[in-house]
Amino acid sequence: DTEVTQTPKHLVMGMTNKKSLKCEQHMGHRAMYWYKQKAKKPPELMFVYSYEKLSINESVPSRFSPECPNSSLLNLHLHALQPEDSALYLCASSGLAKSPLHFGNGTRLTVT
Amino acid sequence: AQKITQTQPGMFVQEKEAVTLDCTYDTSDQSYGLFWYKQPSSGEMIFLIYQGSYDEQNATEGRYSLNFQKARKSANLVISASQLGDSAMYFCAMREDTGTASKLTFGTGTRLQVTL
Repeated sequence: DTEVTQTPKHLVMGMTNKKSLKCEQHMGHRAMYWYKQKAKKPPELMFVYSYEKLSINESVPSRFSPECPNSSLLNLHLHALQPEDSALYLCASSGLAKSPLHFGNGTRLTVT
Repeated sequence: AQKITQTQPGMFVQEKEAVTLDCTYDTSDQSYGLFWYKQPSSGEMIFLIYQGSYDEQNATEGRYSLNFQKARKSANLVISASQLGDSAMYFCAMREDTGTASKLTFGTGTRLQVTL
């Protein structure tokens, strides 16, 4: 079982909807990440939070809004998405800078 | 900028045989880390093995070993005694340190199919 939990597993939303993806870890990790993965492509970094502060934003459109309420939780708020935003969204966490990222099972998002 | 190259889009291996998945990288950093992840069709990214640039020994984790050749900038994954459950996409990734967080850049992946 993965130690990073993502909900929901699947999400279908219209272009005018507002929804949120949730991620939780209890490994004491202080860095958390959002990645986006299109079919048959590698994951692409979206955001990095370090000690609950946004440290990297890879020029992601403002219709994606991350939030880190505490060291265990990471949210991704979605608003006015486009069909091309349909993808697998992966959350990850890591400890020290030399340690691996631990990924959740992902949320498969479909925008209609 | 860091770059990871995986030149094998797909590989086939017979059950119980060994297989090598290739990965080359390019970086100007002296300190870096290389990772291999497995992604089954379910979507989860599973960490397999890590090699630091200053590690003198090749990393091993069970049936996985990393053939690290620093001068050639290659970090190939070797899977011994392949099992049907090894069928998945495999990604090589390089870490870029940004203070307290690690930013991973992934290669394009190799899809491994284990056959009977």
